[in-house]
Amino acid sequence: KQEVTQIPAALSVPEGENLVLNCSFTDSAIYNLQWFRQDPGKGLTSLLLIQSSQREQTSGRLNASLDKSSGRSTLYIAASQPGDSATYLCAVRQAGTALIFGKGTTLSVSS
Amino acid sequence: DTGVSQNPRHKITKRGQNVTFRCDPISEHNRLYWYRQTLGQGPEFLTYFQNEAQLEKSRLLSDRFSAERPKGSFSTLEIQRTEQGDSAMYLCASSLGPSMNTEAFFGQGTRLTVV
Repeated sequence: KQEVTQIPAALSVPEGENLVLNCSFTDSAIYNLQWFRQDPGKGLTSLLLIQSSQREQTSGRLNASLDKSSGRSTLYIAASQPGDSATYLCAVRQAGTALIFGKGTTLSVSS
Repeated sequence: DTGVSQNPRHKITKRGQNVTFRCDPISEHNRLYWYRQTLGQGPEFLTYFQNEAQLEKSRLLSDRFSAERPKGSFSTLEIQRTEQGDSAMYLCASSLGPSMNTEAFFGQGTRLTVV
């Protein structure tokens, strides 16, 4: 059974710092991995989608990497801003159709 | 904006009542998913539609839960005889098939509180 783990559960950084969020999964047989952002009480906003054949994807200050063989993904956020404060969730898609989520990392960026 | 739309955004109901939520996916998306999220947890899969056909249901979807997508467009999720344990955020997502490699887009969710 696929399990997705996100470390750390919470992270506090001062504005301007670069940071890395980690996601690991137990079964490497995935179609893709998707990173989401969730603001308190809100839905999920898709940030990046990495296909199983890809190593990384970039969008603005965000860069996500995928090492499928080791079951790891990282989300790198450059020059963090207070507006980046949110919970970041990673999810993998396997042969079934459902996304399997981690519990998320709650990021707080102070000004 | 033509993203995924969910209504209502919030619902407070008394234990034992029935509730129904609606999801309008992105218009060209043929796949629609329902998830449930409790505080401090990631979303958990409930059920999946491809067009109007319900193709997959999670063990979490007890017999008090029913979902429909009658014309392959919007979907409804009904919970009968609500229990306090049903309190959660109910999230809807859509994607474009048939490939498994497409991006899933989520709505803003319906927050259910059972009192």
